[in-house]
Amino acid sequence: EIVLTQSPGTLSLSPGERATLSCRASQSVSSNYLAWYQQKPGQAPRLLIYAASSRATGIPDRFSGSGSGTDFTLTISRLEPEDFALYYCQQYGSSPWTFGQGTKVEIK
Amino acid sequence: QVQLVESGGGLVKPGGSLRLSCAASGFTFRDYYMSWIRQAPGKGLEWVSYISPSGITVYYADSVKGRLTISRDNAKNSLYLQMNSLRAEDTAVYYCARQIKVAGLFDYWGQGTLVTVSS
Repeated sequence: EIVLTQSPGTLSLSPGERATLSCRASQSVSSNYLAWYQQKPGQAPRLLIYAASSRATGIPDRFSGSGSGTDFTLTISRLEPEDFALYYCQQYGSSPWTFGQGTKVEIK
Repeated sequence: QVQLVESGGGLVKPGGSLRLSCAASGFTFRDYYMSWIRQAPGKGLEWVSYISPSGITVYYADSVKGRLTISRDNAKNSLYLQMNSLRAEDTAVYYCARQIKVAGLFDYWGQGTLVTVSS
């Protein structure tokens, strides 16, 4: 099973700042099948990025994904008020599909 | 628009059973792989099970194998999760999610239903 480790656990930033979230895999993610989801309190997760760098339908271009192999990054170029939330990475390159433990982006 | 609505959660004693349902609308349900994913209180996400569009192929996480059974009724646009021999560690919000083909990539999720296993 691939273990995904996200860092930092919490990111304290102000609106307008850049957010950089990391996701490291315990082994290489096949075909860079790495996704990012956003979750707000009491809501279901929302798909942001798939295949490491492709934005899902309707996702603003301030969200971008990069990386390959075992190291992946989600970048939010300029934080909007609605971006303060929990973010999870997930690998779907090999079974069982696994998620990271999450990074909380909070208002500083 | 795509909608997934879970139901059937509740409080159950250890060793008990529960059946979750997920009603799908806004897309051709019979064409899609579907999954159940859970989230324990204050914890991260754990994929539980998936089922193929026909219902013939199913797959489970090791943690639930032999106790949880996924099924679907394409005529009713519904997904199910039969949960037996429940344990305290099964306590979680259970989400149904639509998959993009066979890949474990989830583009739509329901709002979830809470299952609490406690005596």
